[in-house]
Amino acid sequence: DIQMTQFPSSLSASVGDRVTITCRASQNIRNSLNWYQQTPGRKPKLLIYAASSLQSGVPSRFSGTGSGSDFTLTISSLQPEDFATYYCQQSHSPQYTFGQGTKLEIK
Amino acid sequence: EVQLLESGGGLVQPGGSLRLSCAAAGFSFNSYAMTWVRQAPGKGLEWVSTISGSAGSTFYADSVRGRFATSRDNSKNTVYLQMNSLRADDTALYYCARVSAVAGDFASWGQGTLVTVSS
Repeated sequence: DIQMTQFPSSLSASVGDRVTITCRASQNIRNSLNWYQQTPGRKPKLLIYAASSLQSGVPSRFSGTGSGSDFTLTISSLQPEDFATYYCQQSHSPQYTFGQGTKLEIK
Repeated sequence: EVQLLESGGGLVQPGGSLRLSCAAAGFSFNSYAMTWVRQAPGKGLEWVSTISGSAGSTFYADSVRGRFATSRDNSKNTVYLQMNSLRADDTALYYCARVSAVAGDFASWGQGTLVTVSS
């Protein structure tokens, strides 16, 4: 199975900051990488699909880049509602796998 | 609007069985693969299983292969997860989600159903 590794596992930042979360695949997955946001008690929400395509309704401060095995999710200017846990997920193999998550906390 | 509603969760003893259901509405059900994702209390997301739209193909995580079985009834717009030989580490909130045909992402999720494995 393809292993997905996210880093950092946690991150403290302030409103207005620019933050970047990284996700690395154990093999080349081309652009088959998706990003989700989850707040406590809520179901996951798709932010980015196919590495860089913004899901409908998601604010443009979210962006994704990368291909092959290295990917990043960037939030250009943190808003209070962005403090959440973020997960990457590969869809290159039908044995889909998630990263372990990055918890974004308020500094 | 896509709607997914899971049911069937509950408390079960170790070694027991449970069948989860996910009823879908608002889209052409047999055109989409469906997937199960679980989340243990306080933990991250874990992909569990996926079934193709025609039910011709199923895929499982190593942690559940041989114990869990996914099926679907396209006439009822419902996907199932049969869970056997349950263990304490299967305790989790189980979500069903629709798999995008384009990018394999999960844009639509149910609210989840809680499975607790305990004696």
